[in-house]
Amino acid sequence: DQQVKQNSPSLSVQEGRISILNCDYTNSMFDYFLWYKKYPAEGPTFLISISSIKDKNEDGRFTVFLNKSAKHLSLHIVPSQPGDSAVYFCAASTGNQFYFGTGTSLTVIP
Amino acid sequence: EAQVTQNPRYLITVTGKKLTVTCSQNMNHEYMSWYRQDPGLGLRQIYYSMNVEVTDKGDVPEGYKVSRKEKRNFPLILESPSPNQTSLYFCASSGSFNYGYTFGSGTRLTVV
Repeated sequence: DQQVKQNSPSLSVQEGRISILNCDYTNSMFDYFLWYKKYPAEGPTFLISISSIKDKNEDGRFTVFLNKSAKHLSLHIVPSQPGDSAVYFCAASTGNQFYFGTGTSLTVIP
Repeated sequence: EAQVTQNPRYLITVTGKKLTVTCSQNMNHEYMSWYRQDPGLGLRQIYYSMNVEVTDKGDVPEGYKVSRKEKRNFPLILESPSPNQTSLYFCASSGSFNYGYTFGSGTRLTVV
C-alpha cells in the first residue's frame, strides 16, 4: 500500500505564477520529508527537506509546508520558471527507510 | 565533480542469468541506497547501507542482494533475474541519514 501519495499526476502553471505541488502520507512515524525534482534521463535531484518538528522550510523560490495533523505536505514554487518543468517527487522517511510518491509532472508555460 | 556513477546505463538480459549493477560514489558518503522506479509506483527502496558491511532491507528487497565491502561502492546483484525485475534502477548516496540523497543517472534493465 502506498504510504506516500501524490494525487495529481500533472500540473500546468503560467510562468511567474505560483506552483503548488501536494503530497499526502499515511504513516505518522515519518520524521523527515523531502522533495526531489527529476528531468528525463536523469536521476532525481534533491530540492528541499523539512523535519517533522517544523511546519515550514524555505530555500529561495522553494518553500515546503508540513501539516502533521492532516498528514499533508506541499511544495510552493514562486515565481515559477520554464526551467522548473520536471517531475517532482515527495518522499518521507523513518530512520533509513524512504518512501516516495508517484510524482507530479509540472509544466511551466512561458 | 561530486557524483554517483552507475553502470551499465542500459542492460538487456535473459531470465535466470546472474547480473550485477555497479554503483560508486566519490563523496565519501556513509549512506547508500538502491531504488527501482516503475510506472504508477514511484521510486521504491530496495536496500540501503549505513556504512561498510552494514546493510538492510528496504521496501522491496525480494530477488536482490547487495554488498558494501568498500565505502564508495554498493553493487546491486540479481542472482536469478525475472521479467518482473524489468525496471529503472537508481543508486543514491548521502552523508547523513536525514539529508537529501545524490542520485545516479539510472540503469534501465530489461529481463526477457
